Formats: sequence, C-alpha cells, structure tokens
Amino acid sequence: AQKITQTQPGMFVQEKEAVTLDCTYDTSDPSYGLFWYKQPSSGEMIFLIYQGSYDQQNATEGRYSLNFQKARKSANLVISASQLGDSAMYFCAMRLYNFNKFYFGSGTKLNVKP
Amino acid sequence: GAVVSQHPSRVICKSGTSVKIECRSLDFQATTMFWYRQFPKQSLMLMATSNEGSKATYEQGVEKDKFLINHASLTLSTLTVTSAHPEDSSFYICSAEQGADSYEQYFGPGTRLTVT
Repeated sequence: AQKITQTQPGMFVQEKEAVTLDCTYDTSDPSYGLFWYKQPSSGEMIFLIYQGSYDQQNATEGRYSLNFQKARKSANLVISASQLGDSAMYFCAMRLYNFNKFYFGSGTKLNVKP
Repeated sequence: GAVVSQHPSRVICKSGTSVKIECRSLDFQATTMFWYRQFPKQSLMLMATSNEGSKATYEQGVEKDKFLINHASLTLSTLTVTSAHPEDSSFYICSAEQGADSYEQYFGPGTRLTVT
C-alpha cells in the first residue's frame, strides 16, 4: 500500500511566486514524522523541513513552510518567493518511529521559470 | 549541519564482480545508518537499516546475501554489492542519524554504480 503520495510529477512556477507541492500520507501509527527533501540534478538529498505528528504548529524554515493538516493526512510544502535555484526534484517522506521505517513519495519535479 | 560522505561517488564494474561502497559520518557518531537505492527518475527505496555492532535489518525483497551491510563503527557503514549484475546498476544513497532522539537523517552524496 502506498504510504506517501505525491500527485504532481512536475510543476512550473514563475520566479518570485509561491508554489505548493502536495503530499498525502497513510498511516495508523500515531507517532510519525514528515519530511521534505530537495534533490538537485547532482543527486544529493537536501533536508528542507520537518513536521512531527504531535507538533501543534506548522513548521517553517525560511522560505519553506509545511502545511500540516493531520485530519486530512496531508503535508504540503509551500515555497515562497521561488528562485531559479529551487528547480529540482522534491521528495516528501514519512518516518514511522515505532517501526523505524522510512517511506518516500515519488517526487515532484519543480521548474522555476525566469 | 552534519556531514556524511560516500565513497566512491561513481563506480563502473564488470558483471560478476563485487563492489564496496563506504558511508561515513564525518563530524558525528551515527547510531543508525540507512541504505537506499534510487533508480533513474524514481523515488528512494529503503534497502536496509544498519545499527552499529548489530546485524542490519533488511526491507522485504532485498537480498541479504547480495547486499552485504556492515556497520563496524559509529562512523562507518559499508554496503557490498556481491556478484553484481547490470540490473544492480543504480544510485545508492546512505543516510545517518545521530541518536534515538534525533529526527533528522543526514544524507550522503550518493554512489552511482554501473555494472557492465
């Protein structure tokens, strides 16, 4: 069963605009963490933001914010003021702490247009 | 942030040979390391979880005898692809976490394996 779903294989955004990358997850485990990673063409995985299942407030890290809607099981990433360097693959991931498992979504390729 | 290195970054080997990939945490002690495999334009798939001093826990469908994982110290884990075949060609990425209380895993830069 698919644990993490990213329904947008590719997205375009105009430079300086905001963009939302969708992520939904599936688990009945109460203890989990949600992550977003950026993978440029060079291949390294860059950590962007984290949201714990018990966190009351949405996580923010600079231009990145995570729109955590627990009841809907969604954890969308919002990038504000897009930059050309934001063009990359973005992966949503979930960690189930009780089972020490990691699941990654299929990724969204973001292209920022000048 | 914490730094994780992988060596080699690229390797080409002949079918039937074995290849060892190293994953090192450079400035922290990693109680747990993870090994992932990523096919082109696809997501990361967890292969195994490695804890220092104990046997690795493999994910379903991953052959233990083919992908040997050794976590000999708190800063080093190795993945050996034994008797490699062209279908083993992939991008292998390791990650490490500092401790049970740490939620973040730090990724290595990855190793691109090509088996000819």
